Amino acid sequence: DSGVTQTPKHLITATGQRVTLRCSPRSGDLSVYWYQQSLDQGLQFLIQYYNGEERAKGNILERFSAQQFPDLHSELNLSSLELGDSALYFCASSPPGGTGELFFGEGSRLTVL
Amino acid sequence: AQKITQTQPGMFVQEKEAVTLDCTYDTSDQSYGLFWYKQPSSGEMIFLIYQGSYDEQNATEGRYSLNFQKARKSANLVISASQLGDSAMYFCAMREAFLGGGYNKLIFGAGTRLAVHP
Repeated sequence: DSGVTQTPKHLITATGQRVTLRCSPRSGDLSVYWYQQSLDQGLQFLIQYYNGEERAKGNILERFSAQQFPDLHSELNLSSLELGDSALYFCASSPPGGTGELFFGEGSRLTVL
Repeated sequence: AQKITQTQPGMFVQEKEAVTLDCTYDTSDQSYGLFWYKQPSSGEMIFLIYQGSYDEQNATEGRYSLNFQKARKSANLVISASQLGDSAMYFCAMREAFLGGGYNKLIFGAGTRLAVHP
């Protein structure tokens, strides 16, 4: 158990819909990262937050948005869903100091039908 | 821009043998970190080993070691005495210099799928 909690674990929805994925980082971790892993692909970086502020953006679509709240949990909002958005979405957190190792949640598997 | 390359889409090894998974990287930073993660079929990402760019000795963690060749920009993972449970996807990743206000993101390679045969 990495200490990073993601909900829901599985989600099935239809094209055009909107979903929200939630992440609680490890206690004490200020940074939260979101990654997308499509079938048999590597992990694509979406966005990073540090202590409530957006720190870095990757290949995140305009239909996607995220935020980190004062209690440090984060949400990833995916709207106008398309079939190609079906993927495993990971949240990770990292502690201040250390090596920069990311601790990953178990992921939220999104299926768009 | 930083880049991670894993040229082996799939590898197989006999149980109890050693296997090397290749990883090359590209960065212009002097300070960076290299990581290996394991992803079993269940999907979770498991941290295996870390090597800092200033570390002079190769990192080791149990049966895992990282063969770090800085001049060649390679960071190969060596798994000794392979076990059936080592069958998984393996990802090499890199982070660049500390950004200030949280570490920089990790960039991942495409991964290598390892199959351990009895």
